[in-house]
Amino acid sequence: ETGVTQTPRHLVMGMTNKKSLKCEQHLGHNAMYWYKQSAKKPLELMFVYSLEERVENNSVPSRFSPECPNSSHLFLHLHTLQPEDSALYLCASSQDFGDPSYEQYFGPGTRLTVT
Amino acid sequence: GQNIDQPTEMTATEGAIVQINCTYQTSGFNGLFWYQQHAGEAPTFLSYNVLDGLEEKGRFSSFLSRSKGYSYLLLKELQMKDSASYLCAVCDSNYQLIWGAGTKLIIKP
Repeated sequence: ETGVTQTPRHLVMGMTNKKSLKCEQHLGHNAMYWYKQSAKKPLELMFVYSLEERVENNSVPSRFSPECPNSSHLFLHLHTLQPEDSALYLCASSQDFGDPSYEQYFGPGTRLTVT
Repeated sequence: GQNIDQPTEMTATEGAIVQINCTYQTSGFNGLFWYQQHAGEAPTFLSYNVLDGLEEKGRFSSFLSRSKGYSYLLLKELQMKDSASYLCAVCDSNYQLIWGAGTKLIIKP
């Protein structure tokens, strides 16, 4: 496999469920990101990890919990979500965080629907 | 606050040229990116500008004016496969990307 992969591609969950999104990058990158993409809105950066350490806290509700067990994997744990959390969740990676010349490589996303 | 503005939608004809504009106001500037996103797919990198001027890459060119807080993406010899959303993003002083909402480009035969 190459690039950035995400599973599942589609997820429907109730507001009381707990689920996790998984991201894996096969590029040897040191930085990984979670974004939320809602229709007709800009991408919102949720979390950044550099060398497995969380870099920024972007005021994301605590019902979203990230985990980065190693430099190749990133998880987003979800619990007690709200309908407005329905969106496309994109994972991305880049060679390093803090060097703006490195572009980010995106996974195909998980389309999440909260019912 | 930080703000990236780009048109919501544009329409152009196959074989023609189209220019997609982006204006920005951000806390700090460490470069500007353009990404392409086809419907239902991941964004893919097109260009990165950090100095003023025009960068050409095949049919696509990107221009930056830091003093004006302005960039554009120029697409030449348009093809049907160029129908997509084009996202402008600025790397701010915290090295985070601030994104525009994207410009949906519709190509007509």
